[in-house]
Parts: sequence; structure tokens; C-alpha cells
Amino acid sequence: DAKTTQPNSMESNEEEPVHLPCNHSTISGTDYIHWYRQLPSQGPEYVIHGLTSNVNNRMASLAIAEDRKSSTLILHRATLRDAAVYYCILRDVRDDKIIFGKGTRLHILP
Amino acid sequence: GAVVSQHPSRVICKSGTSVKIECRSLDFQATTMFWYRQFPKQSLMLMATSNEGSKATYEQGVEKDKFLINHASLTLSTLTVTSAHPEDSSFYICSARAESTGSYEKLFFGSGTQLSVL
Repeated sequence: DAKTTQPNSMESNEEEPVHLPCNHSTISGTDYIHWYRQLPSQGPEYVIHGLTSNVNNRMASLAIAEDRKSSTLILHRATLRDAAVYYCILRDVRDDKIIFGKGTRLHILP
Repeated sequence: GAVVSQHPSRVICKSGTSVKIECRSLDFQATTMFWYRQFPKQSLMLMATSNEGSKATYEQGVEKDKFLINHASLTLSTLTVTSAHPEDSSFYICSARAESTGSYEKLFFGSGTQLSVL
């Protein structure tokens, strides 16, 4: 499986934008980039996913580098409820499985 | 949005007993479900892929006789931890993909089951 690299933890102030980076230099042409987050004592929840183009939804934006070797999850205005572990995952279109890495623990400061 | 219900949310059992965890897709059919376990402060580890009407596919190092998976219908998969021991204490999480979507689409996760074996 192609792997991703994320910072172990990040901090951000409430009501400010947050940029969560992810490196995936060995990404293949059939890999989709998925982001999930896990709040304390809960199962993960889907945030966003994309293939080549930047994506926006009500939760976040996903900026994908032109060479696809990195991506950035953007939370436009962080709230305390966004404190969670964020996982950047590569998912092959031919494979159902999602393999989680260590993720980034995001702390939001009031 | 689609909902995956997992039950129970928390269970405490004695060593040597078996515990069954249920995972239901409430408003969609799921031919494939996944089971994960998670230790404190660690990431999720995929245990097995559960396929409706067939045997589960276990990841390397996961004992199939220890963790019995049954996926008898398109909306229900169960994980039974047999002869549980304290080292089996963990957070167990299931997930499912809606049948009608492509394999690159998102998964929906249950809220998890915290198993504590005394």
C-alpha cells in the first residue's frame, strides 16, 4: 500500500483556518486521497476525498498538488469541535480496504 | 447520510467468556463491512473484511478462530471475540460501504465498542 506521512500533532487557534499537510510521494494513478477524522471515543467520520482536482464540501477543502505527491486538508474556520485525529489515506480504486496511518492530532486553542 | 449502528457501545466481561459485537447498516445495504481494533493512543488496525454470504478475509496476524465474523445479511455483520482475555481489551470499530457506490467512495463507521476483559 502506498503510504502517507503526516505531522504527529498540530495546534491552531479557534476561528482561524487550519492547514493539515500530507505527503504521499509513492501515490499511484489509481489511488484516491481520502481524509477521515476521529473524535475522542468515537469511530472515524468521513471528511473529504479527491483524485486530482481540488475539492470542497461543507466540512473542508482538499488541495491536491499538481504532481499528486502531497495534499492539504483545509478547515476554513476551526472550532473546538474540530479537535480530533485527522487521517490522510490513500485508497486504491481497485481495493475496498482503508488502511489507517498514525494521523495528525489537531488541538484547537480557545 | 448513511448510518452504521454498532452495539454494544461498551462491554465488560470476565476472562474466558465470549462477546458478540453487532454492526448494522441502518439505511443502506452493505455487501462489505470492515472490522478494526484500536488500542489507546494508537491508530486503527484493520482486522478483517466481512463479505455478505461468504467467509471473512482476515489480515495477517489476526486469529480467525479467535475473532469470528459472520455477515449473514446485507445489513448485519457480527464480530465474536471468543474466550476473551485481558489482552483482547480494546476499542473495536466496524465500517461499511454502501453497495450502490464505487469502491473509491467513502466508508461509514460505527461509533465503536469498548471491550474490557477482567
